[in-house]
Amino acid sequence: DIVMTQSPDSLAVSLGERATINCKSSQSLLYSSNNKNYLAWYQQRPGQPPKLLIYWASTRESGVPDRFSGSGSGTDFTLTISSLQAEDVAVYYCQQHYSTPLTFGQGTRLEIK
Amino acid sequence: EVQLLESGGGLVQPGGSLRLSCAASGFSFSSYPMSWVRQAPGKGLEWVSAIRSGGVSTYYADSVKGRFTISRDNSKHTLYLQMNSLRAEDTAVYYCANYYFYSSDYYPFFDYWGQGTLVTVSS
Repeated sequence: DIVMTQSPDSLAVSLGERATINCKSSQSLLYSSNNKNYLAWYQQRPGQPPKLLIYWASTRESGVPDRFSGSGSGTDFTLTISSLQAEDVAVYYCQQHYSTPLTFGQGTRLEIK
Repeated sequence: EVQLLESGGGLVQPGGSLRLSCAASGFSFSSYPMSWVRQAPGKGLEWVSAIRSGGVSTYYADSVKGRFTISRDNSKHTLYLQMNSLRAEDTAVYYCANYYFYSSDYYPFFDYWGQGTLVTVSS
């Protein structure tokens, strides 16, 4: 199974500042036939189901604000929120879909400092 | 508008059974592979199971293999999860979600999720 490890577990950032969340996979998520990284990012607000933010490691889902961006390749990935807004308080998860079983990172809790 | 509505959760004793349902609307259900993902109280997300559009190919997490069965009725636009031999560690909110459609294919990450149904396994 591919193990997904996020860091940090929790993060406190001031409004308007940058937030960075890391995700590391135990094996490469880069699919050589199409050069895509099989990595997605989700946001989960309290009491809500997860919301897809980013797929293919760096493609923003329709309707997601452009302050959210994803980067990385192979085994190391980053979700960046360029200017934190109050509504961004949530838990963020990465997920690999390179192989089954599908696996998620343990989550990173983002709070306002 | 895509809607996924789970039902069937509740309190069950260890060793008992439950069947979850997920009623889908607003998209071509019969074309989409579907999945169940669960979340134990205060914990992270755990993929449980998936099923291809035709219902023949199914996939399971090791933690539920042999105890849970995923199925679908495309005529009723409904996804199911039959859960047997339930354990305390199966206590969670269970979400159904549809695979992402991209460039004429379906990929196992999820743009639509239901609100979830809570399963509590306790004596």
